[in-house]
Amino acid sequence: DADVTQTPRNRITKTGKRIMLECSQTKGHDRMYWYRQDPGLGLRLIYYSFDVKDINKGEISDGYSVSRQAQAKFSLSLESAIPNQTALYFCATSDPNDPAGELFFGEGSRLTVL
Amino acid sequence: AQSVAQPEDQVNVAEGNPLTVKCTYSVSGNPYLFWYVQYPNRGLQFLLKYITGDNLVKGSYGFEAEFNKSQTSFHLKKPSALVSDSALYFCAVRDISNTGKLIFGQGTTLQVKP
Repeated sequence: DADVTQTPRNRITKTGKRIMLECSQTKGHDRMYWYRQDPGLGLRLIYYSFDVKDINKGEISDGYSVSRQAQAKFSLSLESAIPNQTALYFCATSDPNDPAGELFFGEGSRLTVL
Repeated sequence: AQSVAQPEDQVNVAEGNPLTVKCTYSVSGNPYLFWYVQYPNRGLQFLLKYITGDNLVKGSYGFEAEFNKSQTSFHLKKPSALVSDSALYFCAVRDISNTGKLIFGQGTTLQVKP
């Protein structure tokens, strides 16, 4: 089983619908992140969390919200989806005890908003 | 502000030839630098990182990267390319705020032809 699991892997929805992307991890890391990937733009940070009570905005948080339900679970919501939120979304984790540690990514959730 | 630039959208190389994927960075202080690879419909896989010490860093799948402080570069290299190396490659720098988050470049598509 993957260490970082994202559901759904693919989703097509319509403008105005509420969408939730879920992420769970078995690495035991406190830190979790949501990134968005767009062609030619690389990955941009939406939100990150250090623990259940610590949620922080990233560089492109407008239109998104998150919930950290447990150490292992971090969900991203689009309250009212719009077409320019069509993208590939990645969840990632990192070990706060390793100051030079890499991020561990899930397989991604491809969202299409019509 | 911290940033990473990958000046080439695409790199084409023949199988068996050496390859280089370029990355330059801008960050105050000593950087922690990373390379990731993304295969189609997959998440990002960690290849290697530079923290300190030897400027030549060896990583997974025969890849290596050369850190050059004077040129603020961290180019990814491989002595002999394989068709299976064809993928999207991302360079990233660790944010200095100790949040663990990574700042990514735009990505470079590597195409290795038989």
